[in-house]
Amino acid sequence: ETGVTQTPRHLVMGMTNKKSLKCEQHLGHNAMYWYKQSAKKPLELMFVYNFKEQTENNSVPSRFSPECPNSSHLFLHLHTLQPEDSALYLCASSRGDREYSGNTIYFGEGSWLTVV
Amino acid sequence: GQNIDQPTEMTATEGAIVQINCTYQTSGFNGLFWYQQHAGEAPTFLSYNVLDGLEEKGRFSSFLSRSKGYSYLLLKELQMKDSASYLCAAMDSNYQLIWGAGTKLIIKP
Repeated sequence: ETGVTQTPRHLVMGMTNKKSLKCEQHLGHNAMYWYKQSAKKPLELMFVYNFKEQTENNSVPSRFSPECPNSSHLFLHLHTLQPEDSALYLCASSRGDREYSGNTIYFGEGSWLTVV
Repeated sequence: GQNIDQPTEMTATEGAIVQINCTYQTSGFNGLFWYQQHAGEAPTFLSYNVLDGLEEKGRFSSFLSRSKGYSYLLLKELQMKDSASYLCAAMDSNYQLIWGAGTKLIIKP
């Protein structure tokens, strides 16, 4: 138990579907992140929120739409995805966003997404 | 550009010692992290080094040389449960994490 919970753990969706990934953190952190993890590739930072405000959008296609209603919850809305979007999507949180060295990030277990 | 290099895969024997190397090139430097990730699970924090030298935590130790842009994770008395991927990440001058692709460690009896 890392204190960061993601649902669903597994999701299969068609290219015309609309679905959402949900993340909740119980660590009292102020920053939340979405990462994409593909096999044998480095983690790709997608979005960062700090105190509910988006502070980073790493050139992510608009078919991925994040939402952060408060510091504890983060969503990733998905629509018209492509097969190459199939990956593990990791949510993470930390005390702050890029405020200091040693700012440790805590990850959820991820949502395995398969686009068919 | 910014880059992290670590071996793709390593194999070691139960009870032995293994060293996983990581070299980094970043714009500025604010420390280096190691994470462990078991298959299908969350990456979990192992260590953070910002000063040169060796930090020991039980069976795991992490070393940093800032002048060489080099770190390693040392695992002693290997156990089967240590089979996992080990992720190296360097923090740049903007406190942004630059990630390696991970090293898959296979432990054999």
